[in-house]
Amino acid sequence: LAKTTQPISMDSYEGQEVNITCSHNNIATNDYITWYQQFPSQGPRFIIQGYKTKVTNEVASLFIPADRKSSTLSLPRVSLSDTAVYYCLVGDYNTGGFKTIFGAGTRLFVKA
Amino acid sequence: EPEVTQTPSHQVTQMGQEVILRCVPISNHLYFYWYRQILGQKVEFLVSFYNNEISEKSEIFDDQFSVERPDGSNFTLKIRSTKLEDSAMYFCASSEDSPSSYEQYFGPGTRLTVT
Repeated sequence: LAKTTQPISMDSYEGQEVNITCSHNNIATNDYITWYQQFPSQGPRFIIQGYKTKVTNEVASLFIPADRKSSTLSLPRVSLSDTAVYYCLVGDYNTGGFKTIFGAGTRLFVKA
Repeated sequence: EPEVTQTPSHQVTQMGQEVILRCVPISNHLYFYWYRQILGQKVEFLVSFYNNEISEKSEIFDDQFSVERPDGSNFTLKIRSTKLEDSAMYFCASSEDSPSSYEQYFGPGTRLTVT
């Protein structure tokens, strides 16, 4: 499983776009990149997943460069309720095992 | 929207006692997981379960832990002889049997307090 590195914390203000970058230099060919969000005392919640280039859904965008050694989660126009921990995960889930390893995550603080 | 449910929400037990944490995964999901999160720390993978057997387990998941799918809906985690350090939030998750979707749906968690 590829190791991931993210900033420990980030601050932002309401209405701003937030970009959280994750490094995964040892990503393997079959690995996908997945991001989760976790609020205090709640289980993680899936945000977005991608393999290469750009993926967008109603919540966020995920940018993956051609070498796939990093990825950037982009949250448009954050609000106070986006204050949470964001986890970047990398793994090949075709083995049937789905061993999912969470890192320390990035604590995002959104201020008014 | 379908969701994973867990019971109880909070369990208090004495050291050395056995506890069973219960989860009802989303009905059409085939992969099931248990995680734990010690207060203030990261989410830690314990075990994944597919086709009625363990697929993967972490080094945390030692002989005091076991999982079971006793019927078509429940998925349980048993801790045989609890220790103080087992105090944590335990999350159950489930996912579809699809290589194109690695989204895991997490339950609200059971807070286990060992005294």
